Amino acid sequence: DAGVTQSPTHLIKTRGQQVTLRCSPKSGHDTVSWYQQALGQGPQFIFQYYEEEERQRGNFPDRFSGHQFPNYSSELNVNALLLGDSALYLCASSFAGGGGGYQPQHFGDGTRLSIL
Amino acid sequence: RKEVEQDPGPFNVPEGATVAFNCTYSNSASQSFFWYRQDCRKEPKLLMSVYSSGNEDGRFTAQLNRASQYISLLIRDSKLSDSATYLCVVNMGGNNDMRFGAGTRLTVKP
Repeated sequence: DAGVTQSPTHLIKTRGQQVTLRCSPKSGHDTVSWYQQALGQGPQFIFQYYEEEERQRGNFPDRFSGHQFPNYSSELNVNALLLGDSALYLCASSFAGGGGGYQPQHFGDGTRLSIL
Repeated sequence: RKEVEQDPGPFNVPEGATVAFNCTYSNSASQSFFWYRQDCRKEPKLLMSVYSSGNEDGRFTAQLNRASQYISLLIRDSKLSDSATYLCVVNMGGNNDMRFGAGTRLTVKP
């Protein structure tokens, strides 16, 4: 039973570039959430996708966008990269169970993004 | 006020000690609560859910106080392998919208 998988594991970009990170949820899960974790901080919620739509969004600018595909996998896109975007980007999946959803989330290993 | 607040620590304790972490949350409508453990440069992993009646899993005990809006984690008989950052997580609503605390760092020493 595959858990949450993310790619790539590491990425180096320069300011102004664009990046796409990918996530495949745990088998049986239909909801994907993305988090940004800076060094020494807890994960900060970016947004959540369910049924191919953005369902919730944290306090992140429009430079951060995403997508969910019919197979529940998801992408996180960040445009016009800034030095401050350097962080560990975590994907978490869960099963919404028909709308409520108080299930814990399961995390992937993350993508470590460095902006030079 | 932050949505989820934790004492960042660090907590440095000897093996065998009992240590407790507290976490407060701001949204009284929050429905579910969890403790996650995160090792250095690794992803968070679910340690335990927190139920209204309190729950125990081996050396770990979680408590919820809805009136005061805080949850706690108690670790008994600390092991070296318990050294990690412990993240308090609160579900802010019905759509599994999780909010994380900044984490409490625990180091267990021989």
